[in-house]
This record gives sequence, C-alpha cells and structure tokens, in this order.
Amino acid sequence: AQSVAQPEDQVNVAEGNPLTVKCTYSVSGNPYLFWYVQYPNRGLQFLLKYITGDNLVKGSYGFEAEFNKSQTSFHLKKPSALVSDSALYFCAVSDVNYQLIWGAGTKLIIKP
Amino acid sequence: DVKVTQSSRYLVKRTGEKVFLECVQDMDHENMFWYRQDPGLGLRLIYFSYDVKMKEKGDIPEGYSVSREKKERFSLILESASTNQTSMYLCASSFTSVYNEQFFGPGTRLTVL
Repeated sequence: AQSVAQPEDQVNVAEGNPLTVKCTYSVSGNPYLFWYVQYPNRGLQFLLKYITGDNLVKGSYGFEAEFNKSQTSFHLKKPSALVSDSALYFCAVSDVNYQLIWGAGTKLIIKP
Repeated sequence: DVKVTQSSRYLVKRTGEKVFLECVQDMDHENMFWYRQDPGLGLRLIYFSYDVKMKEKGDIPEGYSVSREKKERFSLILESASTNQTSMYLCASSFTSVYNEQFFGPGTRLTVL
C-alpha cells in the first residue's frame, strides 16, 4: 500500500538558519510527490511538486525539495528560515486514482 | 488564479441537524474532493468526484453524503450531525492527472453541539 511518513511532529529552527522538513514515501511505480503549507486558520497552499527530471525542485516562498529515490525521501528545505515560515507542512504522494496520500503534517516553528 | 470557495468559514450546529457545506471552483476542474482535518490525523478523504453526478467514497464516508449537479459545485451533506463530526472541512479541486496538484478552499470549521 502507498504511504507517506513525516517522522517529526514539530521542527524548531532559529530565524536565519537553514530548515529541513522530512518526508519519506512508499509507492509502487513512479512517485509523484507534493508539498503543501497551511498557515493558521487557512486552507492548504501548494508549494512544489516532483514529477520527473532534476532531483532538486524549486517552489514558492524560497522553498525547495530534494527527491532521493534510493532513500525514498522528499525532504523540504530552505536555506534561511523566516519567522513567517512558521506553519503546518504536509507531504503527499499521488496515487493511480488521482488521489493524494497525505502525511500527518509537521509543525514548523521559526524562533526570532 | 485558481479560486476555490467554501460557503462558510465557521459554522455551529446542533446534534441531529442536517448540515450542508458547499464548495465552488472556477477553473473547470474535473475532480473535486472533500477532506476533514483533525489535529494529529492529517487530512482524511471523505468523498471525491471525478465528474458531474459521479462520486466515490474516500476513507471515512460514514455519516456523510455528497452531491455534484454542476461541474463547478460539490456539496457535502451531514445527514444528522453528531459531535464527533466537529472538525475542519476542506474542499479541493484538480484536473484529472497524477501530475496535477489540488487547489484548496479556505476551510469550514464546523462545531456540532
């Protein structure tokens, strides 16, 4: 069965430091991977996706994600964190029925 | 810009009431989805629709029904609201492809008393 794991419930980072939010997946076939962000009391916003090609994918708000097929990971990264990046982040993988399989989410807290 | 709108941001209902949540998208997307979001549980799919008048059960359809009479509109119905249906409800839409991201509405926070 396809699944997505976000091993950290919460990640704390000091402003200006690099951040990483981890995601691992298990799929049969080619993985199509997505990251979304949810700011407080808001819907989810699409950040970026990996379909094929370059393993480093760039997205909105300065975020990027690295696809690693051998480690079945798709970690979200940003070189320098901002306080405004504090939010809930979700990783997801697309299945053959056009649905998304979601991770449980990681709360990112950026401290000034 | 893709826009997905939901009829209410906040809703308070009483146990046993029939509740309608409406979602409208303006991008001619084939697929529409209803999720509920609860702390620690992520997003759970209630129902989705891949065409007008078509619907498929998701992971947690019990206690819910849906209606899609027009391509742009997807309604979620709680036939008899219960307190365990207190949650954040999110609507999303997308084109039909494994490559396409879903676009979300702002959510409806439903409280059932």
